[in-house]
Formats: sequence, structure tokens, C-alpha cells
Amino acid sequence: GQQVMQIPQYQHVQEGEDFTTYCNSSTTLSNIQWYKQRPGGHPVFLIQLVKSGEVKKQKRLTFQFGEAKKNSSLHITATQTTDVGTYFCAGRAGNQFYFGTGTSLTVIP
Amino acid sequence: DSGVTQTPKHLITATGQRVTLRCSPRSGDLSVYWYQQSLDQGLQFLIQYYNGEERAKGNILERFSAQQFPDLHSELNLSSLELGDSALYFCASSVGGGRANEQFFGPGTRLTVL
Repeated sequence: GQQVMQIPQYQHVQEGEDFTTYCNSSTTLSNIQWYKQRPGGHPVFLIQLVKSGEVKKQKRLTFQFGEAKKNSSLHITATQTTDVGTYFCAGRAGNQFYFGTGTSLTVIP
Repeated sequence: DSGVTQTPKHLITATGQRVTLRCSPRSGDLSVYWYQQSLDQGLQFLIQYYNGEERAKGNILERFSAQQFPDLHSELNLSSLELGDSALYFCASSVGGGRANEQFFGPGTRLTVL
């Protein structure tokens, strides 16, 4: 069945280092959304990408949607301790909504 | 605060029992989504309602059912509960029912089945 995998599952970085999480779908997605979930919290919407090859930036965060609309990435430049949490990609295929497996980011001060 | 409310916050029950989780969407949002989050399964989409009608169905078990009422609040009913149903259940809402809608998540209901 449809799967949306993310790698890595866990990432520990030193504060100030960069971080990237990759999202791969087994089928083409209509769009890709990214969410952040802090420990003990609920997912919070970060951004949505719709077009093939689209790139969007939010301050230190860069989001990319692949040309085939089957993969996406989130890159954080110069991580801060406030970036700690689990990052999920989520996409729609047909009328189904799929969340990625998530990447848990730990930032060491 | 996302504006989405869920009750109860915590629920502890026994196997074989039935529970109802409640969700009130943000003011103006017509869509409600239900998700199950467990440690080993991540976030699993269960079902979506839009303006009272079922819009999409994900990995929802037959023992589970949901509905959206005319005032747009939604309830998720879980019956014949099993240990494996222990999880965090999130409700989310969005303005529209289509694919390009930002979802706002509630704080979740933590269900523990003993």
C-alpha cells in the first residue's frame, strides 16, 4: 500500500549545525505539507508545497518538493534548541492523506 | 492554541469497553480529521468529514466509527477496545475539504486500554 517514509528516523545535531530530513512517497502526491510536533505537543503546520520542483523558505528553513512529486525535503540551517521536535511530511494521494514516519530532531546546546 | 478542542484529555478504560472522543473544530472550519498516533505506527489518518459528510477514509478499523454533527463538532467512537488501541488520538480541522488545506490539530486525547 501507499507509504510515506522519512529518513533519518532520529537526528542529533550540535547547535549551529545544519539538519535535513527527507520524505519519500511510493506514489505521486497532490501536495506536500510539513508539520512540527514538539515533545508532548500536537503537530503544527509549517508549510505547504503544491507545484513540482517548488522551493519555499521560512527564515532558516528551506522546503523542497521533488520534480516527480514523490519526494520532499526540509533543511534547517544553523539549528537552534528551539528547533527540537519531530518533523513530519504529509501528502495527499487521491482522497487519502498520508503522514510520513517522522524525523525526531535533538539539538545539543 | 490552535482553536481546536478535544475532550477528554485522558481516558483510561478496560479491554472490551466502548469510548467516545469529542472534537470541536476551529470556528469557521468545515472539515474534521481524526488521526491515531502510537509509538510504533506514527500518525495514522483515520477519517475525514466535511460539513457533516464523510469525505475520506483511511486506516480506520471496523470497530471504530465517527460522525460530524450539524454544529460541526465530531465524535470518534471506539468499541470492543483492545490493548493495541492505546494511543494518542488527534483531531484536526481545516477550512475546506479539499487537498490543499492547512490542518490545525487539537491537543489530543490519550487513550489507555488496560
